[in-house]
Amino acid sequence: KQEVTQIPAALSVPEGENLVLNCSFTDSAIYNLQWFRQDPGKGLTSLLLIQSSQREQTSGRLNASLDKSSGRSTLYIAASQPGDSATYLCAVLPSEGYALNFGKGTSLLVTP
Amino acid sequence: DAGVIQSPRHEVTEMGQEVTLRCKPISGHDYLFWYRQTMMRGLELLIYFNNNVPIDDSGMPEDRFSAKMPNASFSTLKIQPSEPRDSAVYFCASSRWTGNTEAFFGQGTRLTVV
Repeated sequence: KQEVTQIPAALSVPEGENLVLNCSFTDSAIYNLQWFRQDPGKGLTSLLLIQSSQREQTSGRLNASLDKSSGRSTLYIAASQPGDSATYLCAVLPSEGYALNFGKGTSLLVTP
Repeated sequence: DAGVIQSPRHEVTEMGQEVTLRCKPISGHDYLFWYRQTMMRGLELLIYFNNNVPIDDSGMPEDRFSAKMPNASFSTLKIQPSEPRDSAVYFCASSRWTGNTEAFFGQGTRLTVV
């Protein structure tokens, strides 16, 4: 069974810092990997999707990388802002399945 | 498209009552998923449908839980009878199987069973 782990569980940084969120998964047989953002009391917003054949994806200040063979992905946030405060979830879509397996998320607080 | 629409947003019910959660997926999406989110266990898949047919319900915790998808634009998740440990946020998501499969989530239903 695919296990997805996110480290750290919580992170607090001052505004302006660059930061990295980590995601690891136990089975490298994946179709793609998605990073989501969840604000308190809200649903999940898709941030980036990386196909298994890709190494990274970028959107604005966000950059996600994927190393499938080692079972790792990172989400890099440049020049963090208080508005980036949220929980960030990593999810993998197995090669043999159709439903995402989620990590428990990293709760990010960016202080002014 | 308005995205995945769930109702109600909040539900408070007494133990033993029947609860029905509703979901309208994005038009044209052929996969629909129900997830449950708790602090302890995170997001867990309950069941998913392909073209209105249930494919994998191994995540449904007990026989008290049932889900249906009578047509491509509507799905329900029913809990009968409800128990306090069912309190959680229930999410519906949909996707279209393509080379760039991306899942889209609804806003969730926060269920509290007292």
